[in-house]
Amino acid sequence: GQQVQQSPASLVLQEGENAELQCNFSSTATQLQWFYQSPGGSLVSLLSNPSGTKHTGRLTSTTVTKERRSSLHISSSQTTDSGTYLCAIVTNTGKLTFGDGTVLTVKP
Amino acid sequence: DPKIIQKPKYLVAVTGSEKILICEQYLGHNAMYWYRQSAKKPLEFMFSYSYQKLMDNQTASSRFQPQSSKKNHLDLQITALKPDDSATYFCASSQVGGAEQFFGPGTRLTVL
Repeated sequence: GQQVQQSPASLVLQEGENAELQCNFSSTATQLQWFYQSPGGSLVSLLSNPSGTKHTGRLTSTTVTKERRSSLHISSSQTTDSGTYLCAIVTNTGKLTFGDGTVLTVKP
Repeated sequence: DPKIIQKPKYLVAVTGSEKILICEQYLGHNAMYWYRQSAKKPLEFMFSYSYQKLMDNQTASSRFQPQSSKKNHLDLQITALKPDDSATYFCASSQVGGAEQFFGPGTRLTVL
């Protein structure tokens, strides 16, 4: 089965609303990383969060390692937040295994 | 200044030919990686190198050969190109030990 599952697959918000993205993983991870990818663009690392809660700007990630889940909260969404959000787990060889992503659309 | 450079940005090749994708990182990292993203599949890991040595290879085909001539370089040679090789190839780097990975801008390869 797929090692990293993300939900929802897509999300449409009005500007100013909050977003909650979920990531569940089935194997032990030494690291968990959230990325942003714009259409046709590269991956931008948002947060690296193997456990606990981390904040950066309008982003908050909470990872509960024992339950093998992580969430990414985006507060006060902006149209420029539109894109694909990817969750990935890291193994001890450095291999990143990605989920299929959540496509976020923020409407003005 | 870009910290991870990938060249070229776009590449068009004919079936059966050979191409080399270039990756250089200026983050002082000692681990480098290659990933592939195609329309048909999500991002998939190809190789990881640590201190210029192969750590993990998840590529089934020997047509894909990474080459590390310097500690901050990890090029990808692809031989006998096929249309199914069409994808965007991303290079990434990190410190050794499962640390946060940073990605380059990618090389978009189209095989005709």
